[in-house]
Amino acid sequence: QSVLTQPPSVSAAPGQKVTISCSGSRSNIGNNYISWYQQFPGTAPKLLIYENNKRPSGIPDRFSGSKSGTSATLGITGLQPGDEADFYCGTWDSRLSGVVFGGGTKLTVL
Amino acid sequence: QVQLQQSGPGLVKPSQTLSLTCAISGDSVSSNSAAWNWVRQSPSRGLEWLGRTYYRSKWFNNYAVSVKSRIIINPDTSKNQFSLQLNSVTPEDTAVYYCARGSPTYRDYDFDYWGQGTLVTVSS
Repeated sequence: QSVLTQPPSVSAAPGQKVTISCSGSRSNIGNNYISWYQQFPGTAPKLLIYENNKRPSGIPDRFSGSKSGTSATLGITGLQPGDEADFYCGTWDSRLSGVVFGGGTKLTVL
Repeated sequence: QVQLQQSGPGLVKPSQTLSLTCAISGDSVSSNSAAWNWVRQSPSRGLEWLGRTYYRSKWFNNYAVSVKSRIIINPDTSKNQFSLQLNSVTPEDTAVYYCARGSPTYRDYDFDYWGQGTLVTVSS
């Protein structure tokens, strides 16, 4: 069971917007920055969002992040079939002194 | 451009030691701002961070509680690489293992470069 909680799956139609939630506690999301990763089958995860809402170079602005208290949200607008992937949230846990991840959310573009 | 190249066996017998190496190009294992991590992924456990090594005027390690008693992560400055050693493995340790860089630019728990992944199966 993962320390951070994500919905197992979300879906939306092409062109629409979808959000993915990530819930934690004070020792992780509440006191540290959250990051988001996108993973396609058979490949390593790719950093999508860091420091709650910042995008590395090359990540389109269709992807956004936010954080409030002990929860965070990844938003994806203008959905494309190529966005279908698994998404993971991750952060540092000050109590565990380690990195923790969510269980992952599978995005389906209908 | 940073590249992480993993090597090591894909099959390990129960009770034996899993050993993997991650060779770094485009950065230094002795970087004063990056961290060098091992992460594994399995259908039953999802993404699981195992531990890291990093240099901040001296070497430090952090390990996940779940494997703390059986893991060692070592830097090798002569070869610019780092290694994972996981002792007393069981079939529960079967997973895809990744090495990853904790970013020197963002937070060192943001993983901006990953190795290609190694499927390690624990079986007799």
